Amino acid sequence: SQTIHQWPATLVQPVGSPLSLECTVEGTSNPNLYWYRQAAGRGLQLLFYSVGIGQISSEVPQNLSASRPQDRQFILSSKKLLLSDSGFYLCAWSVQDRDLYNEQFFGPGTRLTVL
Amino acid sequence: GENVEQHPSTLSVQEGDSAVIKCTYSDSASNYFPWYKQELGKGPQLIIDIRSNVGEKKDQRIAVTLNKTAKHFSLHITETQPEDSAVYFCAASSPVRGGADGLTFGKGTHLIIQP
Repeated sequence: SQTIHQWPATLVQPVGSPLSLECTVEGTSNPNLYWYRQAAGRGLQLLFYSVGIGQISSEVPQNLSASRPQDRQFILSSKKLLLSDSGFYLCAWSVQDRDLYNEQFFGPGTRLTVL
Repeated sequence: GENVEQHPSTLSVQEGDSAVIKCTYSDSASNYFPWYKQELGKGPQLIIDIRSNVGEKKDQRIAVTLNKTAKHFSLHITETQPEDSAVYFCAASSPVRGGADGLTFGKGTHLIIQP
């Protein structure tokens, strides 16, 4: 069966510091990978998605970036965090089925607090 | 782009009663409508989904209905139990052609089951 991991689970960082969040998927090959952000009391906002190694699409312009160095690894980064970057970051994966339905499964999330 | 509206934002029901959460979407090309349950501090869990080629789907106490003409879809939970208390998100997605695409989420419904 497939599993998705995220770490760290919780992170407290000062404003202006760098960020690296990691997501890995097990039990599947060539997944589509996604980063979402969830602000307190709000819905999920898609940040980035990737269909393969080195292929990243950005949905929202901001000071965050994403990379996919390996097939089942997705990394979210920032060079300098802002207060507004605080939130719950979720990684998700999907495999397109033959009927082109976008069934996505989420990881446990990383709670980021920028002080 | 797609826009998903979800109502109500908070729903309180007595244990054993039914709960209904409603969503509307804007993109007539959307063909996949998942529902996620999110418990505090955890990632969203896919609980049921419906595809545009069916009007209703049921899984034990949970059912979803879809009205493509009106662009409405709903989640129905019968015989509610304390463990049903959580935030529920609806989402919509258009057909994924040759690549990945994110889900567009509603803002969530906080379901509270009163003992």
